[in-house]
Amino acid sequence: DQQVKQNSPSLSVQEGRISILNCDYTNSMFDYFLWYKKYPAEGPTFLISISSIKDKNEDGRFTVFLNKSAKHLSLHIVPSQPGDSAVYFCAASRLSGGSYIPTFGRGTSLIVHP
Amino acid sequence: SAVISQKPSRDICQRGTSLTIQCQVDSQVTMMFWYRQQPGQSLTLIATANQGSEATYESGFVIDKFPISRPNLTFSTLTVSNMSPEDSSIYLCSVGGREAYNEQFFGPGTRLTVL
Repeated sequence: DQQVKQNSPSLSVQEGRISILNCDYTNSMFDYFLWYKKYPAEGPTFLISISSIKDKNEDGRFTVFLNKSAKHLSLHIVPSQPGDSAVYFCAASRLSGGSYIPTFGRGTSLIVHP
Repeated sequence: SAVISQKPSRDICQRGTSLTIQCQVDSQVTMMFWYRQQPGQSLTLIATANQGSEATYESGFVIDKFPISRPNLTFSTLTVSNMSPEDSSIYLCSVGGREAYNEQFFGPGTRLTVL
């Protein structure tokens, strides 16, 4: 039973355009939502997060939107650059045993074409 | 942030053998985490390792199959025991961030192939 779902395994975008990566979740108890980026042969690196009490968080070219009623979040990258080509993981975390433990989606592979 | 290294970076093993993966952090941390990413799947938490106590395993993972050591605040090992081809995965260690949103910092991963 997947609690965090990324239904698009891949996305292809032209350089300079907007990339939109989507994520759905089922557990309304999640406190934070995070996006990680992963290059081949490297571990995931944290990109941006949003608290469950917010609906938008922006950091440079990256914006995450949260729609709690729909249990949906999305990551917008504007403008997209070839260096953004990577696998993006959506994660949702909640407090468990004194620590926030994330649950990850399966990832979306983004390819940005020059 | 934390800098994390893992050894080995990759290995090919025969079924029935065991492999121990090492994880080294450049700073002292209380909690370390071990994840598995099977092909085409999400990162799945195997266990949480606290220094000085037994690891806490997630549902579906047991100590006999994935024994973990945590001898100090900068080091941990994960052993994949009695391996089968289904254990072929990327294994990653991570440490929790100090911010309220608790991002995690990951090592580069160990790519394991079991024949």
